[in-house]
Amino acid sequence: GAVVSQHPSWVICKSGTSVKIECRSLDFQATTMFWYRQFPKQSLMLMATSNEGSKATYEQGVEKDKFLINHASLTLSTLTVTSAHPEDSSFYICSASPDPRSPLHFGNGTRLTVT
Amino acid sequence: DAKTTQPNSMESNEEEPVHLPCNHSTISGTDYIHWYRQLPSQGPEYVIHGLTSNVNNRMASLAIAEDRKSSTLILHRATLRDAAVYYCILRGYMDTGRRALTFGSGTRLQVQP
Repeated sequence: GAVVSQHPSWVICKSGTSVKIECRSLDFQATTMFWYRQFPKQSLMLMATSNEGSKATYEQGVEKDKFLINHASLTLSTLTVTSAHPEDSSFYICSASPDPRSPLHFGNGTRLTVT
Repeated sequence: DAKTTQPNSMESNEEEPVHLPCNHSTISGTDYIHWYRQLPSQGPEYVIHGLTSNVNNRMASLAIAEDRKSSTLILHRATLRDAAVYYCILRGYMDTGRRALTFGSGTRLQVQP
């Protein structure tokens, strides 16, 4: 079955530093990948749609300069949290689908803690 | 995406069947009913989806009402590993891979040994 891999699974960083999270589709190509954020006890909230070869589309209220998305190949999208602050601490999850008619598959998430 | 309504939480005993309901009274004719679940500290996992007919796979069964305004996810024998938040989501036929899923609050299933 389709597999989406995220790395790292957890990361701790200091305020003001940047953190990069990778999302890979292991056995399929994905022209579109989705990035979500989930705070404790809450549901997943879509942050942005990552498009291979073009700019990402951000949801309202998500700062594009803070959450940099790069989708340079058909199997890799990256989310960089720039100048991280404690309020950016969250669970970040990516997802993708092998084709338009298949269900979305999700990575196992990245737990970011900013100290 | 059309809205779905699920109970906030449900409890079950291990090895007993579990029926998780979902109401979607504003479903359109081309909306598929998708179910995902999220185990603690993991990303969501696809469970099953269907359009009109009941569906079965190795994980669960999906029973869809004749008028499609509601559906039920059935876990035939709950295990402790089935404790998770279950999300019922509607997806347009041609949107499945191109658009993100919109998650509601889901149903938190607790399984007692």
